[in-house]
Amino acid sequence: AQKVTQAQTEISVVEKEDVTLDCVYETRDTTYYLFWYKQPPSGELVFLIRRNSFDEQNEISGRYSWNFQKSTSSFNFTITASQVVDSAVYFCALSEARSSNTGKLIFGQGTTLQVKP
Amino acid sequence: KAGVTQTPRYLIKTRGQQVTLSCSPISGHRSVSWYQQTPGQGLQFLFEYFSETQRNKGNFPGRFSGRQFSNSRSEMNVSTLELGDSALYLCASSLVGVGLGNTIYFGEGSWLTVV
Repeated sequence: AQKVTQAQTEISVVEKEDVTLDCVYETRDTTYYLFWYKQPPSGELVFLIRRNSFDEQNEISGRYSWNFQKSTSSFNFTITASQVVDSAVYFCALSEARSSNTGKLIFGQGTTLQVKP
Repeated sequence: KAGVTQTPRYLIKTRGQQVTLSCSPISGHRSVSWYQQTPGQGLQFLFEYFSETQRNKGNFPGRFSGRQFSNSRSEMNVSTLELGDSALYLCASSLVGVGLGNTIYFGEGSWLTVV
């Protein structure tokens, strides 16, 4: 069965601190896709990154970085030097690659990040 | 280019009524999917449409339905509204489908309150 677990419900940090958001997933498929989205209070889910299961390269984009480890089924997200504007709910999501699964993302419960000035 | 557009953004309905929500995908995207977000259940997949056909459906009662038009715009309908249908309804679009390796982009959502 597919499942995404974000064990951290809420995290509070002070501006400029580094913070890591954890994501653990379960799937029986060998080909799948992992995503991170940011949801500000307005409600829109803002796409941050997509990672394919066959590409374990870590990725860095500005202050954001992602660590994908298939051995531990984890896809963690780190924000370096956090800023107040990073305050939001962050979701990790999984999609299995199959013709019967063309639109379905399985989401974790989300981690609310509060960055205090 | 324009993102995913959803209308209306906010609405209040009474129990027993029905509601129709609209979604315009990103230009060129042919797959449109819908999600329900509630504090208790989180984000849950409702259904996905491609070329006017429903390809995938989540575990929701038949009161929830949708359709897609030839220009890829989509609508979802909830009939006989219940208090528990109060939620943020999010529409998402992708080129041909997220399970096929595409990125899925979301709209701002429609906030539905049932009283």
